[in-house]
Amino acid sequence: DAGITQSPRHKVTETGTPVTLRCHQTENHRYMYWYRQDPGHGLRLIHYSYGVKDTDKGEVSDGYSVSRSKTEDFLLTLESATSSQTSVYFCAIRPTGGREKLFFGSGTQLSVL
Amino acid sequence: TQLLEQSPQFLSIQEGENLTVYCNSSSVFSSLQWYRQEPGEGPVLLVTVVTGGEVKKLKRLTFQFGDARKDSSLHITAAQPGDTGLYLCAGGYFGNEKLTFGTGTRLTIIP
Repeated sequence: DAGITQSPRHKVTETGTPVTLRCHQTENHRYMYWYRQDPGHGLRLIHYSYGVKDTDKGEVSDGYSVSRSKTEDFLLTLESATSSQTSVYFCAIRPTGGREKLFFGSGTQLSVL
Repeated sequence: TQLLEQSPQFLSIQEGENLTVYCNSSSVFSSLQWYRQEPGEGPVLLVTVVTGGEVKKLKRLTFQFGDARKDSSLHITAAQPGDTGLYLCAGGYFGNEKLTFGTGTRLTIIP
């Protein structure tokens, strides 16, 4: 157990509303990631963080922002949700020294109506 | 652009049979990982291979990294229902913090 908690596990929202997903880790790892998973596309990186207040974009970052004010929390925000952002969102952490090894949370199923 | 292609996309076989799934790319990776994902859960790392030609075994699962580090295969011997899941490969580049994932092979083992 890598000590990763995602919340909420499920969310239904309406187009145009802001949504924030939370990822919490208990191990103080430096690297944290947000991925989305869609049929036919696999896992695609949205944003990642390499330390408090240090973040960078992934391949599908448009429409998303992130924040990391504490080591243990990495927040993903959809400023104005669209139906194309309906997906399963996964948070992952990479242990220090664990080259390219990722440990994933259980995911958040987000539906934008 | 999908850099990692996995095949087949879906595979359904009887318990006890052997199978091989593939992960192919036109790019060279410094490492290749395999994950298994069960419904409602996140992917779980099975193995990491880093050397061209490397073979790793995990009980009935055998993983191989291609000599040119562009492709990988996963072979399962005597498949069991517990092997059912989505198998994902992911390629990494040394010094780059991002992994590129394939689209996955959804494996179903029929008892």
